[in-house]
Amino acid sequence: GENVEQHPSTLSVQEGDSAVIKCTYSDSASNYFPWYKQELGKRPQLIIDIRSNVGEKKDQRIAVTLNKTAKHFSLHITETQPEDSAVYFCAAGGTGFQKLVFGTGTRLLVSP
Amino acid sequence: EPEVTQTPSHQVTQMGQEVILRCVPISNHLYFYWYRQILGQKVEFLVSFYNNEISEKSEIFDDQFSVERPDGSNFTLKIRSTKLEDSAMYFCASSEAGALGQFFGPGTRLTVL
Repeated sequence: GENVEQHPSTLSVQEGDSAVIKCTYSDSASNYFPWYKQELGKRPQLIIDIRSNVGEKKDQRIAVTLNKTAKHFSLHITETQPEDSAVYFCAAGGTGFQKLVFGTGTRLLVSP
Repeated sequence: EPEVTQTPSHQVTQMGQEVILRCVPISNHLYFYWYRQILGQKVEFLVSFYNNEISEKSEIFDDQFSVERPDGSNFTLKIRSTKLEDSAMYFCASSEAGALGQFFGPGTRLTVL
């Protein structure tokens, strides 16, 4: 089955810096890659997603890139703010199946 | 903006007791899911439900677990005889199109004593 690896497990940056979180997946049938932000004690919130027919997608300060050949995808946050502090999870899924397989999460801490 | 809702927010139960966790998915969504998250760990898939039947389940979802859509709005997860290791946050999610665009509820924290 699908396996998703995520790095780093923790990431500390200064406000205004960029942050990059990387994930790799194992199942070449996966073609949908969402990112979720989870604040302490709250639900995972879908912040951006990408399908395998595109290589990059942007939404204001966040972007996701996908390399299908290498089976890895990354989340990029620019001009980080303290409210970006949270745990970020990548996941993999596909139109041929319904479940999402999550990575182990990255705790992002943005210091003012 | 419509959201997935879940009740209760916190459930405390004794080992061996039955619990039912309730969810109201987003109204026009057709795919429903249960995931769980043990404290400090990743989110794990339990089961997906479409067209009034289970479409996929993980090895965690054994005979002690069952799901039901008893009416047009609710989606429930039942654990027949809870174990200590069932203690976790249980999230319900729903989507219009399978894996794509799954939205999560606020979760039910289950504590088994």
